Amino acid sequence: SAVISQKPSRDICQRGTSLTIQCQVDSQVTMMFWYRQQPGQSLTLIATANQGSEATYESGFVIDKFPISRPNLTFSTLTVSNLSPEDSSIYLCSARESYEQYFGPGTRLTVT
Amino acid sequence: DAKTTQPPSMDCAEGRAANLPCNHSTISGNEYVYWYRQIHSQGPQYIIHGLKNNETNEMASLIITEDRKSSTLILPHATLRDTAVYYCIVRVGSNAGNMLTFGGGTRLMVKP
Repeated sequence: SAVISQKPSRDICQRGTSLTIQCQVDSQVTMMFWYRQQPGQSLTLIATANQGSEATYESGFVIDKFPISRPNLTFSTLTVSNLSPEDSSIYLCSARESYEQYFGPGTRLTVT
Repeated sequence: DAKTTQPPSMDCAEGRAANLPCNHSTISGNEYVYWYRQIHSQGPQYIIHGLKNNETNEMASLIITEDRKSSTLILPHATLRDTAVYYCIVRVGSNAGNMLTFGGGTRLMVKP
């Protein structure tokens, strides 16, 4: 099974700034994804991180707000730009290999 | 992907079997049933999946009705550590690139 780590585990950021979250998988994986989990809610898919090309965003999420990189098969970053209090959430990295999809521990972001 | 319906919450006594139902009446023939759980402050964890046959692994059993319109996840001897939100998800394919789409899930509380 794949083990996923995320950095930072939590952060408190000021309105208007940006936060970049790093996701590292301990093995090469075909697919990587980013999810958001707002307080008390279920997970919502933000985008699929494509290696070597632009990410594929879900409805309601745009590249300018959530730029994503995936330079290789084990690493991805998500940036949350121009932060507002509504961006306070847990952001989770996920990786897919065969039928199983694995999740990182999440990054808890609080925007003040 | 087909939508699923789960009760928002359930209680179970420690040591007893926990039976978590899921309705997926619009499931298609090529869609699998997946179960994940999310323990507080952690990322979701894969439990089990199946297409039409009942499945069992070291964590749980999955019972799928013959018409595939509903399923039940069974934790045979629930422990306090099984307290979590359990998500039932249907997704096309087993090795396809489709991502997981999460619904509301069932919050299972295991009580001593």
